[in-house]
Amino acid sequence: DTGVSQNPRHKITKRGQNVTFRCDPISEHNRLYWYRQTLGQGPEFLTYFQNEAQLEKSRLLSDRFSAERPKGSFSTLEIQRTEQGDSAMYLCASSSPRLAGATGELFFGEGSRLTVL
Amino acid sequence: EDKVVQSPLSLVVHEGDTVTLNCSYEVTNFRSLLWYKQEKKAPTFLFMLTSSGIEKKSGRLSSILDKKELFSILNITATQTGDSAIYLCAGVDSGAGSYQLTFGKGTKLSVIP
Repeated sequence: DTGVSQNPRHKITKRGQNVTFRCDPISEHNRLYWYRQTLGQGPEFLTYFQNEAQLEKSRLLSDRFSAERPKGSFSTLEIQRTEQGDSAMYLCASSSPRLAGATGELFFGEGSRLTVL
Repeated sequence: EDKVVQSPLSLVVHEGDTVTLNCSYEVTNFRSLLWYKQEKKAPTFLFMLTSSGIEKKSGRLSSILDKKELFSILNITATQTGDSAIYLCAGVDSGAGSYQLTFGKGTKLSVIP
């Protein structure tokens, strides 16, 4: 499968614990995005990487959230000291300059669903 | 701040009906408008619209953009139960070259037999 891959697909954790999600984008895509989606809402932008550089962060991304893309390939999103309000689907998406230049279309992974008890 | 508003938020129709989903947008550096279909998993791409008045079609689905009035519609004719999903509209902002998508809340379509 050459699509965007995310894991784990589901994570249940207790409040206060740290969690980490991983995203493997489509191999030739140099742009990688993280979005968060809660029930009844569309995806909300969290952060964006071009290669290994994190170029933009939403104000939704509090200090407890950190994202990395160390070698410009896969990315991780870590949430420290989780809160119940962090419960959501975390979606990763990727795109290539050619596609983005033409349409802005993103290719999404299937998401990592976080439940904080 | 970019904004996308979809209506209705929820819709229930019978198989065979035709539906129209609405999307209005305010995007600072507008590049394009995208429609996605989301079932239980990731959003899957339906259409990309960049020019006013040009209808995009794919089977029973079609979409059109009005850049003057800042809205788009997605039509589904002869609906089937497999069309049941959340339909997301997203405006693409090309400011700073990042191509950020701002999504609406989506329209939840339920097609009953």
